[in-house]
Amino acid sequence: AQSVTQLDSQVPVFEEAPVELRCNYSSSVSVYLFWYVQYPNQGLQLLLKYLSGSTLVESINGFEAEFNKSQTSFHLRKPSVHISDTAEYFCAVSDAGGTSYGKLTFGQGTILTVHP
Amino acid sequence: DAGITQSPRHKVTETGTPVTLRCHQTENHRYMYWYRQDPGHGLRLIHYSYGVKDTDKGEVSDGYSVSRSKTEDFLLTLESATSSQTSVYFCAISEAQGNEQYFGPGTRLTVT
Repeated sequence: AQSVTQLDSQVPVFEEAPVELRCNYSSSVSVYLFWYVQYPNQGLQLLLKYLSGSTLVESINGFEAEFNKSQTSFHLRKPSVHISDTAEYFCAVSDAGGTSYGKLTFGQGTILTVHP
Repeated sequence: DAGITQSPRHKVTETGTPVTLRCHQTENHRYMYWYRQDPGHGLRLIHYSYGVKDTDKGEVSDGYSVSRSKTEDFLLTLESATSSQTSVYFCAISEAQGNEQYFGPGTRLTVT
């Protein structure tokens, strides 16, 4: 079985400050890792994912995450946040094996609030 | 945006009544999923489908059943709704394992 722990339920920051949202996972097999974002009253949207290869992955809107296998972490970072980044962020893991059917296990979510 | 809709978007029902939520996709994706979202729990998988008439249980399947008779439709049924099933339900679709899951807009279900 897999599990995901997001270490902070809420993260308040000021606009243009850097931010890190922490995610740790537990799994006995190889995994795929994802970050999803949910804006108020909307469904989830993929922010970025790690499948294989380079351990540093980036999104088109300035977020990045680094896969650290030894620490079983996939922390999300942004060097300078905007008001529009205010949302809830979910870390998720999927078994990379052939019979997982792409099922996702989600963390509890981190609410990022960017203040002016 | 991926072509995925959910109906109804909001529903209030009484304890003990049956409820069916519908997920419809126009992307012809193989995989479909039902999740529920509750504060402090993130999203939890209820059931999933890996093809027409091929379904299996997820983490929190008790009290729920599903059916998929066509590629485009995935139905979630609460046979006898309970207050603990008050939640926001999301449907998701995916073309292949490891691919992005596209989420629907959600259904807010309240069981009184």
